Amino acid sequence: AQKITQTQPGMFVQEKEAVTLDCTYDTSDQSYGLFWYKQPSSGEMIFLIYQGSYDEQNATEGRYSLNFQKARKSANLVISASQLGDSAMYFCAMREGVKGDYKLSFGAGTTVTVRA
Amino acid sequence: SAVISQKPSRDICQRGTSLTIQCQVDSQVTMMFWYRQQPGQSLTLIATANQGSEATYESGFVIDKFPISRPNLTFSTLTVSNMSPEDSSIYLCSVVKVGRSDTQYFGPGTRLTVL
Repeated sequence: AQKITQTQPGMFVQEKEAVTLDCTYDTSDQSYGLFWYKQPSSGEMIFLIYQGSYDEQNATEGRYSLNFQKARKSANLVISASQLGDSAMYFCAMREGVKGDYKLSFGAGTTVTVRA
Repeated sequence: SAVISQKPSRDICQRGTSLTIQCQVDSQVTMMFWYRQQPGQSLTLIATANQGSEATYESGFVIDKFPISRPNLTFSTLTVSNMSPEDSSIYLCSVVKVGRSDTQYFGPGTRLTVL
């Protein structure tokens, strides 16, 4: 079964507007971590934001925030005030279980195109 | 964060040949991984590079095809052996910096094209 599901293959957003990227996950573990990465056309993977399963508050990092709804098993990324440089592929990933493994499961990704 | 470099950044190779990719980290890290990203696809974990011992491979990946070395805590190599066009991918090295989130950081990737 797919552990991470990103249902939006591609999205367009107007510059300066906000965009929400969907991510749902599937795990039976109580302890897990959720990550978002950005991949520009250059191919590098850039870490954006992290949410732990026990974190009570939604994570925020600058213009990035994570809308964490544990009961729904969703971890949506919100990018506020979009910039042209935000055009990239965005991946949601999950690390399950206790420390010592650190393996990540990735979603299929969402391509974001920011229009001027 | 961690500063990770990979060599080469890209290469075009002939089928049947092998390519070794190097990954260097600026500080000692506990975990190092190798991922593959086929064109238009997400990332797939190839193996965990273990320091001083054999790598731990994921299902579908074998040591004969993807031999991995990790002689110390800051360096690892991945070899793609006997290449075919299906091996054309981006290969990414990643490391874990132990901390609150144990975030996994990625190198810039090696873009491989096999003709």
